[in-house]
Amino acid sequence: GAVVSQHPSRVICKSGTSVKIECRSLDFQATTMFWYRQFPKKSLMLMATSNEGSKATYEQGVEKDKFLINHASLTLSTLTVTSAHPEDSSFYICSATVGSGRDNEQFFGPGTRLTVL
Amino acid sequence: QKEVEQDPGPLSVPEGAIVSLNCTYSNSAFQYFMWYRQYSRKGPELLMYTYSSGNKEDGRFTAQVDKSSKYISLFIRDSQPSDSATYLCAMSGGGSYIPTFGRGTSLIVHP
Repeated sequence: GAVVSQHPSRVICKSGTSVKIECRSLDFQATTMFWYRQFPKKSLMLMATSNEGSKATYEQGVEKDKFLINHASLTLSTLTVTSAHPEDSSFYICSATVGSGRDNEQFFGPGTRLTVL
Repeated sequence: QKEVEQDPGPLSVPEGAIVSLNCTYSNSAFQYFMWYRQYSRKGPELLMYTYSSGNKEDGRFTAQVDKSSKYISLFIRDSQPSDSATYLCAMSGGGSYIPTFGRGTSLIVHP
């Protein structure tokens, strides 16, 4: 199956710093990449959808200036959490899709655990 | 009412038991139904994918969709300790391919 990687897998930072998380599709070119946030015992919350070369589409309630998404190529998307605060601590997961319509299976990365002190 | 409801559990069963996991939903436009398995501190992986109503079987796993009742199920036969994980249902449709996820059910299969 298609493989999606994320880096780093875990990051601990001080409040006020910015953190960049990379999401890569390793063996395919992704039509679209998604960024999710997951709290313990809660569902995946879609933050934004990004297509290569265009601006990301953010879900309602997600601050686009806080969570910067860059989709530089068909295999790489980055999420930067700017001026991170303890409430930004969470599990961030990206996914990538191949194809469209009913064949639009999402392949998930392993996630990045962010802890803001 | 949330679009997708799923009991978070945990659900604890002995090895070899038949497991039944369920989700209900409110959006009648949903047509694509998925089950994902997520191990602790890992990303979800797709287990089953069904379109519209009916059953789909893959090894020990069977997915059922009842659109009239807005109810989907995942059955696991001969459950194994390695099946211990969180199972998330997801569904999409109505012009959007972006799935809406349930909160996941934590399953524990003990030897």
